[in-house]
Amino acid sequence: DTGVSQDPRHKITKRGQNVTFRCDPISEHNRLYWYRQTLGQGPEFLTYFQNEAQLEKSRLLSDRFSAERPKGSFSTLEIQRTEQGDSAMYLCASRDVYNEQFFGPGTRLTVL
Amino acid sequence: AQSVTQLGSHVSVSEGALVLLRCNYSSSVPPYLFWYVQYPNQGLQLLLKYTTGATLVKGINGFEAEFKKSETSFHLTKPSAHMSDAAEYFCAVSDQGDSWGKFQFGAGTQVVVTP
Repeated sequence: DTGVSQDPRHKITKRGQNVTFRCDPISEHNRLYWYRQTLGQGPEFLTYFQNEAQLEKSRLLSDRFSAERPKGSFSTLEIQRTEQGDSAMYLCASRDVYNEQFFGPGTRLTVL
Repeated sequence: AQSVTQLGSHVSVSEGALVLLRCNYSSSVPPYLFWYVQYPNQGLQLLLKYTTGATLVKGINGFEAEFKKSETSFHLTKPSAHMSDAAEYFCAVSDQGDSWGKFQFGAGTQVVVTP
């Protein structure tokens, strides 16, 4: 078990472009969470899944953001028409039935 | 609604000195409480957590924290700082039950350790 992985680790894009991030949770973890962390701040909750069902979305998740978790395994977070304010670290975490939660290394997005 | 306040965005300690990071929370129900550490360009690593039971919780790397319900606090301490403790530390709260894992984080405290 190699832990939660995220891809890519870094993404630089131009304003207006679409980007997609991937998170691979620890196998058999049924809950998966996405957070956003801007510079100098703590992570902020975006959304979470139980298996393939998206159970909650934060108000931070505007219409330009969409997350999926097909088949209840890996998850993707897509941002359409990126804005400079989207520049942040996007963190993924997964949790097992024993309530141990593990974070991935994050994807750092820079929007130029 | 829950909230977390970490007093002091930056703390400087001498190697071998006590590390004390303060965390206060507000929650309408007894929360679960956590401390995470983040090294540059890395994700979050759990230091320790309080869910139920003993209010003094011991974690990894010699850290411990005490849950004080009357003070709504969960301060993190380490008796003797090491150079490797230089990192950013986050306090977090989570509801119990089905919302467990949806964390509310504090703004973080950057720890600098000087020789």
